Amino acid sequence: GAVVSQHPSWVICKSGTSVKIECRSLDFQATTMFWYRQFPKQSLMLMATSNEGSKATYEQGVEKDKFLINHASLTLSTLTVTSAHPEDSSFYICSATSNADTQYFGPGTRLTVL
Amino acid sequence: TQLLEQSPQFLSIQEGENLTVYCNSSSVFSSLQWYRQEPGEGPVLLVTVVTGGEVKKLKRLTFQFGDARKDSSLHITAAQPGDTGLYLCAGIRTGGGNKLTFGTGTQLKVEL
Repeated sequence: GAVVSQHPSWVICKSGTSVKIECRSLDFQATTMFWYRQFPKQSLMLMATSNEGSKATYEQGVEKDKFLINHASLTLSTLTVTSAHPEDSSFYICSATSNADTQYFGPGTRLTVL
Repeated sequence: TQLLEQSPQFLSIQEGENLTVYCNSSSVFSSLQWYRQEPGEGPVLLVTVVTGGEVKKLKRLTFQFGDARKDSSLHITAAQPGDTGLYLCAGIRTGGGNKLTFGTGTQLKVEL
């Protein structure tokens, strides 16, 4: 149980375009979802915390107008990278939880901005 | 400033060797987790420790949480090529809600 999926698994886009990444909890209801970014050879850095039905809470240094997060249901959160630039190329990972302790991670989405 | 520092950053060893990865912080954590991540995939949870001084074993892996809940270690006995991956510690800080803070990571390569 506790499976989290992400779509797409990889995406290539042109600079200036927007890209939407979906995170779904397949077999449980996720009251909270987290979005992380991971650059090559580095660890995961938390970008934002998303609670169903409310605005996301962004970590310091993360532009909320650039990384739009929507958590409209208990099984789906989306991250939209607006006006993407090459420096936004990264591995984006979401996690979902239905309680305070255990986060279940998605398989990640590789974004490449040309 | 990274709250959780891991050492070593990189480790390349031969099959059969033992190794220890350290995860250190000046902050207190209510719980600490260890993950392994393979390239192009999400991290996979190995263990959660919650009590100071706690030791947990998972086959050839032994995890320890420091008495003061500020540090942890992962010891692998008789490493195998299948142990290759990025090992990440992550903790929930006391009073930090449910946000996970990840360590800097240790890239392990086990060669035949």
